[in-house]
Amino acid sequence: AQTVTQSQPEMSVQEAETVTLSCTYDTSESNYYLFWYKQPPSRQMILVIRQEAYKQQNATENRFSVNFQKAAKSFSLKISDSQLGDTAMYFCASRYGGATNKLIFGTGTLLAVQP
Amino acid sequence: DTAVSQTPKYLVTQMGNDKSIKCEQNLGHDTMYWYKQDSKKFLKIMFSYNNKELIINETVPNRFSPKSPDKAHLNLHINSLELGDSAVYFCASSQVFGAGGNTEAFFGQGTRLTVV
Repeated sequence: AQTVTQSQPEMSVQEAETVTLSCTYDTSESNYYLFWYKQPPSRQMILVIRQEAYKQQNATENRFSVNFQKAAKSFSLKISDSQLGDTAMYFCASRYGGATNKLIFGTGTLLAVQP
Repeated sequence: DTAVSQTPKYLVTQMGNDKSIKCEQNLGHDTMYWYKQDSKKFLKIMFSYNNKELIINETVPNRFSPKSPDKAHLNLHINSLELGDSAVYFCASSQVFGAGGNTEAFFGQGTRLTVV
């Protein structure tokens, strides 16, 4: 069974600092996609960044970047220059190809950005 | 213009009642989903429809019945509501097949269901 594991239930970071959220996954598939979603108190699920497994280059979106280690099945999210608006629950998720594709989520990491 | 919209945003109802949650997406996606987020924030898929056909049914009690009248709509009907059904229910859509396929899922704003 495919699984996604986030081992950090809560994290805290000072405004303007950098923080890294960890995620590992387990799959025997060769074709899959990885995502980080953000859920602020408004509860809206917002895509932060995505990574296709066949791409070796790490994805980057402004202050957000990932460290994708395929052999280690690791997919961490780095947030640079943290802002108060980054305070949210962050979910790592994986998706596999084919008709039965579905997002499998980790348990989430609650990030608090302190002023 | 909201990409994935679900109604209502909040729903408070008594045990034993029947209720529905509606979802519509205007992204032209071929696949729609229902996810349940429990009190510990854990997100689990319930159903997936591709072009109105049920693809995934994840061991959900048969009191939950999804209905997809067309590929832009996926509604969730719940019979005989129980206290344990209290949760946030998210509708989502994605493009799985064809050109531009394998995109991320776009989520609605969620429906907080409270059963009293």
